[in-house]
Amino acid sequence: DAKTTQPPSMDCAEGRAANLPCNHSTISGNEYVYWYRQIHSQGPQYIIHGLKNNETNEMASLIITEDRKSSTLILPHATLRDTAVYYCIVRETSGSRLTFGEGTQLTVNP
Amino acid sequence: SQTIHQWPATLVQPVGSPLSLECTVEGTSNPNLYWYRQAAGRGLQLLFYSVGIGQISSEVPQNLSASRPQDRQFILSSKKLLLSDSGFYLCAWSWTSLGTFFGQGTRLTVV
Repeated sequence: DAKTTQPPSMDCAEGRAANLPCNHSTISGNEYVYWYRQIHSQGPQYIIHGLKNNETNEMASLIITEDRKSSTLILPHATLRDTAVYYCIVRETSGSRLTFGEGTQLTVNP
Repeated sequence: SQTIHQWPATLVQPVGSPLSLECTVEGTSNPNLYWYRQAAGRGLQLLFYSVGIGQISSEVPQNLSASRPQDRQFILSSKKLLLSDSGFYLCAWSWTSLGTFFGQGTRLTVV
């Protein structure tokens, strides 16, 4: 699975958009970009995933660059409950496992 | 809808005692199943994964073992716990193009 690079921490004001970047310059053509988050002392929560096109669901939007070497997870209106570690992972759809990096600690401030 | 059950939520065990953590998945057939561990302040480490009954792959050598006696049941075991086995243990499942979904975890403290 391709390696990803994320900033270790970010801050965001409550109500503002949180934009979390991820670099995955070695991603291959059959690898998807997945985003998860882990709130303290809970299991990771699936957020969104995509291959080439931008994706949106009720939780977030995923913007993938045309060359697929980087992506951005957007939380459009961050709340205090969005404070968590956010993990960007790339893997094949049929891949048998997720490899977690260190993620980004997002802190939403009131 | 699919759900994953993992228990117990917390566990305190003495060094040298056995361990058995159980995980079951409902609402899907033939899922891939996983056991992860997260030490305090660290990232998630994949311990075992299974693509079918009786099929277990180990990612790291360790004091633990896993078994899958039924399609939707995954068990993590140890014959004798070590202090270093303390951590947050997470069971997860996945199936084809869906994401991977995690249980709420078991916080194990070995004393």
